[in-house]
Amino acid sequence: QKEVEQNSGPLSVPEGAIASLNCTYSDRVSQSFFWYRQYSGKSPELIMSIYSNGDKEDGRFTAQLNKASQYVSLLIRDSQPSDSATYLCAVNEDNAGKSTFGDGTTLTVKP
Amino acid sequence: DTGVSQNPRHKITKRGQNVTFRCDPISEHNRLYWYRQTLGQGPEFLTYFQNEAQLEKSRLLSDRFSAERPKGSFSTLEIQRTEQGDSAMYLCASSPRQRGSNEQFFGPGTRLTVL
Repeated sequence: QKEVEQNSGPLSVPEGAIASLNCTYSDRVSQSFFWYRQYSGKSPELIMSIYSNGDKEDGRFTAQLNKASQYVSLLIRDSQPSDSATYLCAVNEDNAGKSTFGDGTTLTVKP
Repeated sequence: DTGVSQNPRHKITKRGQNVTFRCDPISEHNRLYWYRQTLGQGPEFLTYFQNEAQLEKSRLLSDRFSAERPKGSFSTLEIQRTEQGDSAMYLCASSPRQRGSNEQFFGPGTRLTVL
């Protein structure tokens, strides 16, 4: 079992809808959590970080963290075709070291 | 702030040759990471530095791989005696020094093809 699990997708939503991306992790001592967006052929781009239980909102993006359930999610409101990409979930044991990544969920937003 | 840069962007080599990649982090970032990514997979951790000290190296990393960050600024990753299985995108990331944050910012990557 991988340490960080994501549904590979593809996830397809119509333009303007809410896209919901999910991630579970196995290490209970994990401290920090990140969502990256990766366009095909490009490197990952950080879009959200979250460190404590609850919701964190930034524009159209909301990250949700539930440490008891070892679950982190990303909601994208008013999805746009430009949001079509692979979304990577990353988890850190502490606030200085390596990130452990999931294999990503591919999102397609259809016009 | 010019972002993380990596050179070369692409490298094609023959099996058995040595290759070296360079990463220049964001100037005020003291932490530097190397990852490897293959198609359909997430980035896989290789090693990381805080200033010039190499603090962690993946247990899965072959002895053919070595990384340096001699002055705490740029870093190099060398792969000796390359194998076809080394073909991947090699990603460098850097992170700022403030406590409680490990937001990592990635460079464009070096795509290695081993023939």
